[in-house]
Order: sequence, then structure tokens, then C-alpha cells
Amino acid sequence: QVQLQESGQGVVKPSETLSLTCTVSGGSISSYYWNWIRQPPGKGLEWIGYIYYTGTTNYNPSLKSRVTISVDTSKNQFSLKLSSVTAADTAVYYCARGYCSGDSCYSWFDYWGQGTLVTVSS
Amino acid sequence: QSALTQPPSVSGSPGQSVTISCTGTSSDVGSYNRVSWYQQPPGTAPKLMIYDVSNRPSGVPARFSGSKSGNTASLTISGLQAEDEADYYCSSYTSSTTYVFGTGTKVTVL
Repeated sequence: QVQLQESGQGVVKPSETLSLTCTVSGGSISSYYWNWIRQPPGKGLEWIGYIYYTGTTNYNPSLKSRVTISVDTSKNQFSLKLSSVTAADTAVYYCARGYCSGDSCYSWFDYWGQGTLVTVSS
Repeated sequence: QSALTQPPSVSGSPGQSVTISCTGTSSDVGSYNRVSWYQQPPGTAPKLMIYDVSNRPSGVPARFSGSKSGNTASLTISGLQAEDEADYYCSSYTSSTTYVFGTGTKVTVL
């Protein structure tokens, strides 16, 4: 059974960089695409971006200038960096797998981590 | 990209049917059969319930069904049960090769 686990800072100061890692267990990080999704307290889901295991990325246009997603296939991990954070970036951050089969990838997220709360505060 | 529009809340009695709408544009919902739905009980991670408009993953009860017409997708829960009480979100692929979620709908079982 595939499992995803987020780890990283719980509190980040304004203007600094948020860094999170998602560790994938029970399956290989290869042959899928990997997403970061966030949810501010009491609000809805926001897609942040994805990375294919090959390293190809795509980001939400509203966050693109501040986001970097990277992958380390040797560790079965992928990571998120969000720079110049403000209070508006306070949220539960989820990592999620995008489904692929063979050479085709599809538009749904079938496995999710439990989420980690990141608070931006001085 | 703007969030897809969902009603804030819907409710129904056990055994009844409820339908949640998800309205987008011709750049997302209207152009692709790549709409998925997620269930999120309080304090938990979202769970995939429907993919590609109307397909159910293994293990999802048959009372959950999806459809689409034009720029609007819909999720119907038939035979509502107490365990279905949760927040529900739609998601769509977009013409920018990105993804966008809906605003979310709280389902209450009366």
C-alpha cells in the first residue's frame, strides 16, 4: 500500500522560505507525478504544482514566481520550497500522487499524505 | 486561474439523494472529461471518490456517481448515509496543463 508522509517546518517567519519534503513508501516514485496541495484553515483546497519523476514541473500561475518543486528518486522523496512567505501562506500542506499507467498520466490524485500544518508567524 | 464554483452547502435526510454542482469554464471543465471529486471528513486528508467525470475507484460505494454537461460537472450521492457527511471538492484539468479545485461543498445529513 502506497503511503505518503509530509515533513518539515511547522513555523516559518514572514519573508522566509517554507521547505517541506514528502516521503513515498510502499511503492516507487518513478512512473507517476507528484503534487503539492494546500488548504488554509477553514478554507478550500489549492493546487500548488507537480513534478514528474523525470523532473518536469508545472506550477499554479498564482504561485509560480515563489515555488520550486524537486525530486530525489534515490530517496523516494520530493520537496516543496515556497519563498517570501506571508500569513496568507499559513495552511495544511498535502502531498499527493497523480496517477499514471504506462506512458500516460491522468488527472486524478489517488494517494494523499495526512497533511502538515505550516504557520507563518514571527 | 479561478476556483471552480460549488454551492457552500447541501443537505438531505438519510436515504435521500443530493447533488453537488461544480461550474467551471470552457478552459477547464467544459473542454476536458478530466474532472475528479474528493471527500474530506473533518480533520482528514481528501479521498478520491470519482475520476474522469463518472468513474468510481475500487472501494467507493455505487451510491456515488458523477456526470457533466457543458461547463458544469455534478456529483450525486444516492441513498444518503450518515457516514457521507463531509466536505466535497471537485477538481479539473485546465488548458494551461494545471489543475484547479472547486470552492468546496459541505454535505450535511439531517
